[in-house]
Amino acid sequence: AQKVTQAQTEISVVEKEDVTLDCVYETRDTTYYLFWYKQPPSGELVFLIRRNSFDEQNEISGRYSWNFQKSTSSFNFTITASQVVDSAVYFCALRANAGGTSYGKLTFGQGTILTVHP
Amino acid sequence: DARVTQTPRHKVTEMGQEVTMRCQPILGHNTVFWYRQTMMQGLELLAYFRNRAPLDDSGMPKDRFSAEMPDATLATLKIQPSEPRDSAVYFCASGLPPGGTDTQYFGPGTRLTVL
Repeated sequence: AQKVTQAQTEISVVEKEDVTLDCVYETRDTTYYLFWYKQPPSGELVFLIRRNSFDEQNEISGRYSWNFQKSTSSFNFTITASQVVDSAVYFCALRANAGGTSYGKLTFGQGTILTVHP
Repeated sequence: DARVTQTPRHKVTEMGQEVTMRCQPILGHNTVFWYRQTMMQGLELLAYFRNRAPLDDSGMPKDRFSAEMPDATLATLKIQPSEPRDSAVYFCASGLPPGGTDTQYFGPGTRLTVL
């Protein structure tokens, strides 16, 4: 069974602070994909990043960076110099590469509510 | 900028009524997913299709929910009869199969309220 845990329910920071959102996952599959999605107050789910389990390179995209560590089953997300527009719910998700009916299914964490104050 | 579209965006109905939600996947995507989001359960997969064929609908209450893809550009999710506990945001997502980009792109959701 797959499981994604986002232990931080809510985080509150002041603009320009750096913030890290934690994600820990469980799977027995050796090949899997990890994702982060952003859900702003408007409600839609916006894709941010996908990471293959064979690719442990960290990634940076502007103020966003992701730290994938297979040894600790973690895929953490850092926002540098946070802005008010970063306020949203952030979801980490796991897709196992198993065959059968789980193929393609995303398992989501419960989400972390990030509030960035001016 | 290709997007998944969903209609209606909001729906308020009374218990016992039929509800139909529609989704237009991104052109060229052959995998369509239906998710439900509630405060208590978070995001749950209800069903998904590949090439219009249902692959997994184990997350869906069978007695009242049904999902179909009449053609490649339309997916529907029906609830009949609706109940207050069905109140949630229903998301449709589309993507290419594993081996392709494998990323699911979500629509804006349908916010359903059943009174």
